[in-house]
Amino acid sequence: DIQMTQSPSTLSASVGDRVTITCRASQSISNWLAWYQQRPGKAPKLLIYEASSLQSGVPSRFSGNGSGTEFTLTISSLQPDDFATYYCQQYTTYPWTFGQGTKVEVE
Amino acid sequence: QVQLRESGPRLVKPSETLSLTCSVFGGSISSYYWSWIRQPPGKGLEWIGYIHYSGSTNYNAPLKSRLTISVDNSSNKFSLRLSSVTAADTAVYYCARHGDRSRWSSYVDQWGQGIPVTVSS
Repeated sequence: DIQMTQSPSTLSASVGDRVTITCRASQSISNWLAWYQQRPGKAPKLLIYEASSLQSGVPSRFSGNGSGTEFTLTISSLQPDDFATYYCQQYTTYPWTFGQGTKVEVE
Repeated sequence: QVQLRESGPRLVKPSETLSLTCSVFGGSISSYYWSWIRQPPGKGLEWIGYIHYSGSTNYNAPLKSRLTISVDNSSNKFSLRLSSVTAADTAVYYCARHGDRSRWSSYVDQWGQGIPVTVSS
């Protein structure tokens, strides 16, 4: 199985900050990577697919980058709604695997 | 906008079978792949398996011997059955739609709200 490793596990930040989360794959996954946001008690929500494509309706402050084994999710200016946990997912092959999550919390 | 809704028992006894159904509203189950994903309390996401509207399936290896996923196109539903459950199967179970119909493997663009299932006597 392809292992997905996110860093950091927890990130403390303030409204207005620029935030970057990293996701590394144990082998190349080309650009078959998605990012999800999950608020407490809610289902995950798709933000980014194919590493850098913004899902319809998602604010443009979210952006994704990378290919191969290293990927980033950047929030250009953190908003109150953005305090949540973020997961990356590889879908180059089955089984799908997810990163362990990055919790963005209030500093 | 398609909506997915999970239903089924929220409490299952150890060694028994967990059965859940996902109802799809506002869109057809046809032409898409559909997955089950679970999340143990306080932990990350685990892909369980998928089914295509044609009936083809793919299961995560650790669960394969206990797992059956089926589809009912006429009712716009698909289902999960997981046998011989233990406390380790306690989780929130999500049904999900694969976003790219043209690819065998895709991201998830629609999620159900999730249903918490506890395995306990």
